[in-house]
Amino acid sequence: AQKITQTQPGMFVQEKEAVTLDCTYDTSDQSYGLFWYKQPSSGEMIFLIYQGSYDEQNATEGRYSLNFQKARKSANLVISASQLGDSAMYFCAMREPTSGAGSYQLTFGKGTKLSVIP
Amino acid sequence: DTGVSQDPRHKITKRGQNVTFRCDPISEHNRLYWYRQTLGQGPEFLTYFQNEAQLEKSRLLSDRFSAERPKGSFSTLEIQRTEQGDSAMYLCASSSIPGPYNSPLHFGNGTRLTVT
Repeated sequence: AQKITQTQPGMFVQEKEAVTLDCTYDTSDQSYGLFWYKQPSSGEMIFLIYQGSYDEQNATEGRYSLNFQKARKSANLVISASQLGDSAMYFCAMREPTSGAGSYQLTFGKGTKLSVIP
Repeated sequence: DTGVSQDPRHKITKRGQNVTFRCDPISEHNRLYWYRQTLGQGPEFLTYFQNEAQLEKSRLLSDRFSAERPKGSFSTLEIQRTEQGDSAMYLCASSSIPGPYNSPLHFGNGTRLTVT
């Protein structure tokens, strides 16, 4: 089973509008972390926002917010007031406790390509 | 903070040749990761170093792949006898301790490998 599922291969949004990118995850652990990254065409992965499994408040960072619904295992990214520079791939990722070496690696979804229309 | 640096940005090689990539992490970061990203996919974990020790390897890391971090600073990823299936973006990332759950990975720009 996929650990991270992003069901929207591509999304379009009008400039200045808000958009929600979906992410569902699968884990049996109680402690975990959820991350969103942006990957422009240049290739660099840019960290946007983090949500911990025990955080009671939804995370916010500027125009980015995370709609965290723990019971549904959902961690959707909301981008408000979209800008042309938001056009990129967006990846949801999860960190779980690991046995053995404890790498704290991230497991990524397949991503959603967001296109902002002027 | 100069960020994670990867070299080269692009590499084109012929099948059967060996290639080596370099990663310079953020200087105070002791954790270093290699990921591979193929077209239309998210990054997939390859291997992890804490300081100079390679502590975890993915099953994706076949015996043709080797990674080193000799002095706990920069790292190299070598692919021997390259195959067309090795064509991908190779991403390096680093992070610091403590706070493993909320400590993000900081990625470099990646090395795009094309095997012809």
